[in-house]
Amino acid sequence: NAGVTQTPKFRILKIGQSMTLQCTQDMNHNYMYWYRQDPGMGLKLIYYSVGAGITDKGEVPNGYNVSRSTTEDFPLRLELAAPSQTSVYFCASSYSEEEATNEKLFFGSGTQLSVL
Amino acid sequence: GEDVEQSLFLSVREGDSSVINCTYTDSSSTYLYWYKQEPGAGLQLLTYIFSNMDMKQDQRLTVLLNKKDKHLSLRIADTQTGDSAIYFCAERRTGFQKLVFGTGTRLLVSP
Repeated sequence: NAGVTQTPKFRILKIGQSMTLQCTQDMNHNYMYWYRQDPGMGLKLIYYSVGAGITDKGEVPNGYNVSRSTTEDFPLRLELAAPSQTSVYFCASSYSEEEATNEKLFFGSGTQLSVL
Repeated sequence: GEDVEQSLFLSVREGDSSVINCTYTDSSSTYLYWYKQEPGAGLQLLTYIFSNMDMKQDQRLTVLLNKKDKHLSLRIADTQTGDSAIYFCAERRTGFQKLVFGTGTRLLVSP
């Protein structure tokens, strides 16, 4: 199993450019999440999805958009990149949020994004 | 406050015990977790503890939970250089469909 796959691994953007961070999982998980990790800070939840067609805002959604047209894919879109969006982005998935024993988050390896 | 707090850095010698501490915020949190992040990789779940437990042991890992003080700790016995990583605690807050992560503790194990 590939697990959670994120692309690209690294990207440099100019201010105002747009891009999509791709995330796909092959575990048939219902729940998917996007987090950002800033130096010295915990992971902050950007958006999450509890199933295909359903998305909801997390703690820091401004400047981002998501879609969930299939169970497998959960892309994160930056429309007008700003320096404040320089961060490491992690996609994660889980089967459900009800049973913690089954519900551990599986993380992708991350996308390091710099906006200059 | 709103944040889950951890000290940023811990350095130990190989073979010593490591204790990583975490202060969480919601006394009604149901589950508390420890995740490990190795360089260039995503987080991986190490262990978790249910809120009605005081302690959980899993091989070299011991998790202690003090609900009164909202304090969680992770003890790693016989720490190895392969344990060098960033360790995140996380809490599942009641009514939230998400985990709230701490700031992470970077553990450096020297030979």
